[in-house]
Amino acid sequence: EPEVTQTPSHQVTQMGQEVILRCVPISNHLYFYWYRQILGQKVEFLVSFYNNEISEKSEIFDDQFSVERPDGSNFTLKIRSTKLEDSAMYFCASSVSRSNQPQHFGDGTRLSIL
Amino acid sequence: DQQVKQNSPSLSVQEGRISILNCDYTNSMFDYFLWYKKYPAEGPTFLISISSIKDKNEDGRFTVFLNKSAKHLSLHIVPSQPGDSAVYFCAANVIQGAQKLVFGQGTRLTINP
Repeated sequence: EPEVTQTPSHQVTQMGQEVILRCVPISNHLYFYWYRQILGQKVEFLVSFYNNEISEKSEIFDDQFSVERPDGSNFTLKIRSTKLEDSAMYFCASSVSRSNQPQHFGDGTRLSIL
Repeated sequence: DQQVKQNSPSLSVQEGRISILNCDYTNSMFDYFLWYKKYPAEGPTFLISISSIKDKNEDGRFTVFLNKSAKHLSLHIVPSQPGDSAVYFCAANVIQGAQKLVFGQGTRLTINP
């Protein structure tokens, strides 16, 4: 069964450094998402992406965050200058369409900011 | 943001019996609801969904019930198996709106042999 893959599984970064989290969505999916889960909290939406542009973003997704689909298969989340509170599990998801179709999630990247 | 709530943080059920997980929502605009299962160190795995035009959807051992007037949905697993032990998340969105899923806090289900 096709799946969403995320790399790396764990990223440790010094505060203030840039980090790029990578995702390969399911190949025939057209909608892409990033979510995060801070330890002990709910899974929270960050951003959705369709047709090479952001379709929606949450208030968490400020100017420090950006997303890109650089080559037609990868979907990346960049955090420009990481803060301690960015430590979380980051999940990528994709869906085939926007109507009545589930989002399928990768196994996540654990981001630890020191 | 408490738009989707799972009030039971944990549930313990005997193997072979029925597991019932509950979820409440407050946003009447939600019209698509999903259940995800999550094992440690893995991402949420889609289980079953229901749109607001239905009140029940069944897939094998899993059935989701939707009560729109009460803004309540439940997931029934029968019979429960040891491999069902996981955290279960309820999620909701608005089909024609933003595609963001709003998640509940999750319920940890433990199936006892």
